Amino acid sequence: EVQLVESGGGLVQPGGSLRLSCAASRFTFSNYAMSWVRQAPGKGLEWVSTISGSGGITHYADSVKGRVTISRDNSKNTLFLQMNSLRAEDTAVYYCAKALSPVVVSGAVDYWGQGTLVTVST
Amino acid sequence: EIVLTQSPGTLSLSPGERATLSCRASQSVSSRYLAWYQQRPGQVPRLLIYGASSRATGIPDRFSGSGSGTDFTLTISRLEPEDFAVYYCQQFGTSPPWTFGQGTNVEIK
Repeated sequence: EVQLVESGGGLVQPGGSLRLSCAASRFTFSNYAMSWVRQAPGKGLEWVSTISGSGGITHYADSVKGRVTISRDNSKNTLFLQMNSLRAEDTAVYYCAKALSPVVVSGAVDYWGQGTLVTVST
Repeated sequence: EIVLTQSPGTLSLSPGERATLSCRASQSVSSRYLAWYQQRPGQVPRLLIYGASSRATGIPDRFSGSGSGTDFTLTISRLEPEDFAVYYCQQFGTSPPWTFGQGTNVEIK
């Protein structure tokens, strides 16, 4: 079965940076768009960013645009989220998720990682 | 940005009852681009429905989705104990952001 394993979360001060990673396995990684979705403690789901299978198309939520960069290394089956200028409101569990359908950039996600917690606080 | 409003916020029902969850969009959404997810307490979200009405792999047929335009519905025909959870709709319009609704909590009455 598809596996997605996030890492890189932790405690960071406001204004700091973090790089999240998501190691993917058991599917043809380069064929699928990948997304990051976050969930603040006790809150709902928030879409953060999506990248196409080739990496040539990226999209961001307005709440993170200009502070976050999504990327991928298809040779290593790994998805990344570089987060800069972090704010308290960025505190959340960050999930990576695989697109349901190959090639299509927009659409439902069918597999989620277990998530990595990012805490922005002094 | 397309805003999705889910109602009710909380639905209190007993096992065996029928659950009807609503997701209303602030502007028209193609049925191809509307999905529903389930999140049980302490667990990762799970895809239930995509394309407004297609069940994802392994999803029991007591779950069904319907709707078009701005009004979409998730129906659970007979609630099982494991169905008590939070449910989210998500839209993938022509352009991002691809927003989620705020969720409906289906709780045991």
